[in-house]
Amino acid sequence: AQSVSQHNHHVILSEAASLELGCNYSYGGTVNLFWYVQYPGQHLQLLLKYFSGDPLVKGIKGFEAEFIKSKFSFNLRKPSVQWSDTAEYFCAVLSGSQGNLIFGKGTKLSVKP
Amino acid sequence: GAVVSQHPSRVICKSGTSVKIECRSLDFQATTMFWYRQFPKKSLMLMATSNEGSKATYEQGVEKDKFLINHASLTLSTLTVTSAHPEDSSFYICSARDGRVQETQYFGPGTRLLVL
Repeated sequence: AQSVSQHNHHVILSEAASLELGCNYSYGGTVNLFWYVQYPGQHLQLLLKYFSGDPLVKGIKGFEAEFIKSKFSFNLRKPSVQWSDTAEYFCAVLSGSQGNLIFGKGTKLSVKP
Repeated sequence: GAVVSQHPSRVICKSGTSVKIECRSLDFQATTMFWYRQFPKKSLMLMATSNEGSKATYEQGVEKDKFLINHASLTLSTLTVTSAHPEDSSFYICSARDGRVQETQYFGPGTRLLVL
């Protein structure tokens, strides 16, 4: 069965630092990948998604992610984080059977002002 | 973007009672809705997939008689936790799939359930 792993449980950065959050998936076939963000007290919001085409995907708020098929990875990046990026970030893969999402355990990002 | 609402946002109930949680897609029709459960410091776990007009599909280990799901219209799905017990206390989140936007799900704000 498909699974998603996020390597970092909690990342702490200072403002303006660069961010990279790791995400790996297990299944090697065609995959649809997502990054969601959950700000404190708010619901999950879609940051970006990859279905096909250019493996470098740009999302909202300056985030981007790169799909590397050979590494089964879909890491999230941002060149310069802001305090307002403090949130929990979830990587997810679309399950082929029912169209549901399989989530990683999430990475909590804390940005110090 | 599309909006999904959940009601109530939080509920406290006594053990043995039933609680109904509503999930609504406000500005799009959702033929498919999903119900997730989020444990503290853990990921979202899919409970069931709800398709409008048909029976829900439950994930392994999820009791369908305990977590009743009804998807009576294209904008509303309900989850009823029957005979709730303290171990059912959790954060329940629904999502709705907008068929107009390639395989994208929009999430509700979640419902915090506390069973005393």
